Amino acid sequence: QQPVQSPQAVILREGEDAVINCSSSKALYSVHWYRQKHGEAPVFLMILLKGGEQKGHDKISASFNEKKQQSSLYLTASQLSYSGTYFCGTEPGLGRLYFGRGTQLTVWP
Amino acid sequence: DTEVTQTPKHLVMGMTNKKSLKCEQHMGHRAMYWYKQKAKKPPELMFVYSYEKLSINESVPSRFSPECPNSSLLNLHLHALQPEDSALYLCASSQPIQGARGYTFGSGTRLTVV
Repeated sequence: QQPVQSPQAVILREGEDAVINCSSSKALYSVHWYRQKHGEAPVFLMILLKGGEQKGHDKISASFNEKKQQSSLYLTASQLSYSGTYFCGTEPGLGRLYFGRGTQLTVWP
Repeated sequence: DTEVTQTPKHLVMGMTNKKSLKCEQHMGHRAMYWYKQKAKKPPELMFVYSYEKLSINESVPSRFSPECPNSSLLNLHLHALQPEDSALYLCASSQPIQGARGYTFGSGTRLTVV
């Protein structure tokens, strides 16, 4: 049930871009993206419900390819505050959210 | 109120103890969840309540017993736990409808079993 997430870790300088990928072998109801900072709760970033849907949140956006059951999270012009672990979550059915293994993002000044 | 509140924040218990974790939300969400998270791992789904009824149990051992007394409260009763059950236990809530926003997580209870 767990989606496959890559890469495992990313190190960036402020202002650089990053892409995090998420894929599932099962048909998906939705894809979620969360960020978790050390010692804190996961924080919801966005949800994608339809194939081809793209969303944006400040300089963070995401896409969902329903045919391929893949989603990507795009972080542009990264800021120090973007550091944390990013999780994609997939819902093969409503109310069942399973998380990928996470991508640890570190942004240096 | 846009928060999920979990108590206690930290809990140390012996293997023969009985304890309970509490979770509360006042956002009107009708789905509530328990997740378990080990260090450097993703949250793992344990239980799902939808409209105060248990809808999903991810084959969790019976030493974990969930309870949903009303639409705002979720409990997790613990009994005869093992040291490997030590983890961060996260509660979350959402609206169980298509097109809803994502889950709102509480800050968790860090459980240590000795």
